[in-house]
Amino acid sequence: NAGVTQTPKFQVLKTGQSMTLQCAQDMNHNSMYWYRQDPGMGLRLIYYSASEGTTDKGEVPNGYNVSRLNKREFSLRLESAAPSQTSVYFCASKSEGEKLFFGSGTQLSVL
Amino acid sequence: AQRVTQPEKLLSVFKGAPVELKCNYSYSGSPELFWYVQYSRQRLQLLLRHISRESIKGFTADLNKGETSFHLKKPFAQEEDSAMYYCALADQAGTALIFGKGTTLSVSS
Repeated sequence: NAGVTQTPKFQVLKTGQSMTLQCAQDMNHNSMYWYRQDPGMGLRLIYYSASEGTTDKGEVPNGYNVSRLNKREFSLRLESAAPSQTSVYFCASKSEGEKLFFGSGTQLSVL
Repeated sequence: AQRVTQPEKLLSVFKGAPVELKCNYSYSGSPELFWYVQYSRQRLQLLLRHISRESIKGFTADLNKGETSFHLKKPFAQEEDSAMYYCALADQAGTALIFGKGTTLSVSS
């Protein structure tokens, strides 16, 4: 039982490049989330998916897109990376009324 | 608007001293509040939630609706408590968690 798995762990991009962060959970959770963590800003919600087939914007969705591929997988895509998107990205999942389980994070640098 | 405020970026205490990490919230209705912790090089994990009223690793937190606070307390800090602590609030739909900006706790001997 791996929990929440994120790939890659580290990534360096040039401004304008695109990439997809992958997230998968094996706990049969309905809801999945993408957060970014920045010094002094805490954790901010980018997008979430309350259930398979639905996605909703969080606090800071601009510059990102998401896909809930199936119940297990929820990917985050940066179409044209910007230096302001340098951050640590966390995927999380949970069942209704239960606690959030987090992945180990992806450290992204955009030069 | 729903909001979580953690006024302290950094709290430094000596081992054995009492600790109080402050959290205030803005929410209409009955809030559901949590404390999450991130130890160095580890993933975020739940420390406690107010509805369970349990004590984890000696930490407790009481919901004070009058003061809209959910402060995290421990009577005697240990060095292994050094970590980043986040207070979080479930949104109205109970779907997403809104996090505060976090407080780094540093416990030194």
